[in-house]
Amino acid sequence: GAGVSQSPSNKVTEKGKDVELRCDPISGHTALYWYRQSLGQGLEFLIYFQGNSAPDKSGLPSDRFSAERTGGSVSTLTIQRTQQEDSAVYLCASSLELAPNEQFFGPGTRLTVL
Amino acid sequence: KNQVEQSPQSLIILEGKNCTLQCNYTVSPFSNLRWYKQDTGRGPVSLTIMTFSENTKSNGRYTATLDADTKQSSLHITASQLSDSASYICVVPWGGADGLTFGKGTHLIIQP
Repeated sequence: GAGVSQSPSNKVTEKGKDVELRCDPISGHTALYWYRQSLGQGLEFLIYFQGNSAPDKSGLPSDRFSAERTGGSVSTLTIQRTQQEDSAVYLCASSLELAPNEQFFGPGTRLTVL
Repeated sequence: KNQVEQSPQSLIILEGKNCTLQCNYTVSPFSNLRWYKQDTGRGPVSLTIMTFSENTKSNGRYTATLDADTKQSSLHITASQLSDSASYICVVPWGGADGLTFGKGTHLIIQP
């Protein structure tokens, strides 16, 4: 595609529910990154993929967060048993290679946990 | 500790006026610095990237400067337009795939 796409654009859920966020990177981009942006805060790095592999998952806030990438393309970020503090904008970015300073961002998914 | 500090936190100016946003960083070693524009509800979009050897770079009405000695960068917006209303984020990589340090951004509001 022309750019990084994310879905849904907005998600409202109840506390305790599971949510799944999707990211479609730019075609051919091997690296994919997930960030979280809470209100009034800077971007917080969560996890990156090189191909289908995520070498370092230590950026994920808790074990309720998981991410996977299949086929070197689409990635999903899953949050289990959502909490109110999970409310944020979740941004996905991709880059041609593992070069975070050359990444392109998607529009984000705004998650609201009631 | 690798940090990026931006100022001011927010800024309101009248349409047509100029403004300058500041970014101070302590990231080391330094390779480059990037300014992003983030419209409300959208992902960040890259405006310009400054490498160690560059002092000034322009992108239309946006001009970025870099002083690697004092570890400061600025983003100057000339003849502001209503569409310039956004958050401007300064980002400095420090190595590794997760080695990006983001500033918290400057929230700019252009009033007619």
